[in-house]
Amino acid sequence: DQQVKQNSPSLSVQEGRISILNCDYTNSMFDYFLWYKKYPAEGPTFLISISSIKDKNEDGRFTVFLNKSAKHLSLHIVPSQPGDSAVYFCAAIMNRDDKIIFGKGTRLHILP
Amino acid sequence: SQTIHQWPATLVQPVGSPLSLECTVEGTSNPNLYWYRQAAGRGLQLLFYSVGIGQISSEVPQNLSASRPQDRQFILSSKKLLLSDSGFYLCAWSTGGPEQYFGPGTRLTVT
Repeated sequence: DQQVKQNSPSLSVQEGRISILNCDYTNSMFDYFLWYKKYPAEGPTFLISISSIKDKNEDGRFTVFLNKSAKHLSLHIVPSQPGDSAVYFCAAIMNRDDKIIFGKGTRLHILP
Repeated sequence: SQTIHQWPATLVQPVGSPLSLECTVEGTSNPNLYWYRQAAGRGLQLLFYSVGIGQISSEVPQNLSASRPQDRQFILSSKKLLLSDSGFYLCAWSTGGPEQYFGPGTRLTVT
């Protein structure tokens, strides 16, 4: 049973436009949500996170929005750049636990 | 600053052969350590995690095992590899906070 779901396996966005990556979760006990970016044959790199007590966190071109009632979060990248082409993993964690639960990832293609 | 090393970067092994993948972390003490596997279409699957020397928790029943002989060393092993063990193996560390930091990974192909 997947607790963190990324229902879009891939997404293509024009360079300069906004990329919106979506993630849904089922466990209301999650305290923290994270986004990771992964290039082929490399380990994931931490991108941005949000606590469950917040609804928005912004870091440069990256903004994460959390809608707890809908159990949904999204990552906005604006403007999208060629180097943003990668696989993006949504992840969630409970404070009482040291384990992160990852979604299956969404491959983002930034088109020239 | 902290760094994490994994080796080898790629490995091709026959079915039934043993496996040993090593991960070391520098620049931090008493980290939590994790082994993940990324298989095609499966996302990142947590295999083992460790909160201290000799303390290993297994998440998925399988023919793999993990050991932590030193504070900043984490080893993934198998006595006999299966075809289904092929994948991209990632080691990660954290200091107890929510963020985890990943190594470069090992691509394992079992033939």
